[in-house]
Amino acid sequence: DAMVIQNPRYQVTQFGKPVTLSCSQTLNHNVMYWYQQKSSQAPKLLFHYYDKDFNNEADTPDNFQSRRPNTSFCFLDIRSPGLGDTAMYLCATSRDPTTQETQYFGPGTRLLVL
Amino acid sequence: AQTVTQSQPEMSVQEAETVTLSCTYDTSESNYYLFWYKQPPSRQMILVIRQEAYKQQNATENRFSVNFQKAAKSFSLKISDSQLGDTAMYFCAFMKLNTDKLIFGTGTRLQVFP
Repeated sequence: DAMVIQNPRYQVTQFGKPVTLSCSQTLNHNVMYWYQQKSSQAPKLLFHYYDKDFNNEADTPDNFQSRRPNTSFCFLDIRSPGLGDTAMYLCATSRDPTTQETQYFGPGTRLLVL
Repeated sequence: AQTVTQSQPEMSVQEAETVTLSCTYDTSESNYYLFWYKQPPSRQMILVIRQEAYKQQNATENRFSVNFQKAAKSFSLKISDSQLGDTAMYFCAFMKLNTDKLIFGTGTRLQVFP
């Protein structure tokens, strides 16, 4: 089935040690999103790619970066994770950002920073 | 800025019964979209139902229906004939017209008991 895949599902890293989370999609969607969901909080959009155009949310820390080498893959890089970055990270895709298309979510990567 | 409030952190319902999840939002926009997403344990978030603000008719999808009260800025989800598979976290979300940014509430954890 066409879907959004995230790897790994669980990641433990040490304070300050860079970590990369991966997202891939078989939907051939133009847009890929990264959300951060802390415990008992609402998912919060970090940034998204519309094709190769990167769109950062104003309040996303500089510590968070993203790469989209091709249509299918998108990566979330956390350069120097802090304890406060412990969260679930959700990847989502949509076909067209201008028509309020449904966003399709991956299962998430649960990141623990020690 | 838009905000979404879900005032019920947890709810429970017996199988085959009906349950209503509450959501209120704050916006100065006149046209927008509202969504309910379902996130089962350890699985990806999926769209349950969506409502266009310019449509007065409440959206329905099988056992799921909404009560959209635009003046009151209320958007509740009714689940009829609850099933064990409905056990999940439910998120209410808002999207402005011509944008693709979802603004989520903090979620309601629904447990369906046999």
